[in-house]
Amino acid sequence: DAGVIQSPRHEVTEMGQEVTLRCKPISGHNSLFWYRQTMMRGLELLIYFNNNVPIDDSGMPEDRFSAKMPNASFSTLKIQPSEPRDSAVYFCASSLTRDREELFFGEGSRLTVL
Amino acid sequence: DAKTTQPTSMDCAEGRAANLPCNHSTISGNEYVYWYRQIHSQGPQYIIHGLKNNETNEMASLIITEDRKSSTLILPHATLRDTAVYYCIVRAYGQNFVFGPGTRLSVLP
Repeated sequence: DAGVIQSPRHEVTEMGQEVTLRCKPISGHNSLFWYRQTMMRGLELLIYFNNNVPIDDSGMPEDRFSAKMPNASFSTLKIQPSEPRDSAVYFCASSLTRDREELFFGEGSRLTVL
Repeated sequence: DAKTTQPTSMDCAEGRAANLPCNHSTISGNEYVYWYRQIHSQGPQYIIHGLKNNETNEMASLIITEDRKSSTLILPHATLRDTAVYYCIVRAYGQNFVFGPGTRLSVLP
């Protein structure tokens, strides 16, 4: 199994631009999570999906952030417009079910907004 | 808010056991103790979890006190590749994983 695959690994963009981060969960996993990691706030849960349906988006910082999961093998996290304070590493994780103990994380997407 | 308290950092000599403590004095009866670690520039990796009995797998051992208010993760023979941030998390099934600042373990040659 290839594990959770995220792209791009690194993105540098200018303030105001749209950013789209992509995630392919492990095949057969029914839950998908988006986390953000910064030095100041550590790892924060942004949103999670169960069976492609968003269940809890209370961690999404503001309306500039949106996430979709059109099918079981693909999810996107979009920031529009991006701001310098959005600079962080964004991780996608998947698990077999919502209750499963083991989250499998991707390698992360490092976003820098200038 | 994270429900656990961990030391900010620890050192361990290569080849020796690394014992990472975690306090979780407000743990509820249905909450498990989980450990993850994050090696630099990688995503967090699951290590082990337990409810009240001690657990062991190929990576580590988890010792939970009888009152469940604290636990210790043991890496029996630490290697340089075990240098990472270790997160102790308490969570009931169905709840979100809330990551605190963790313990930065440095394994020294």
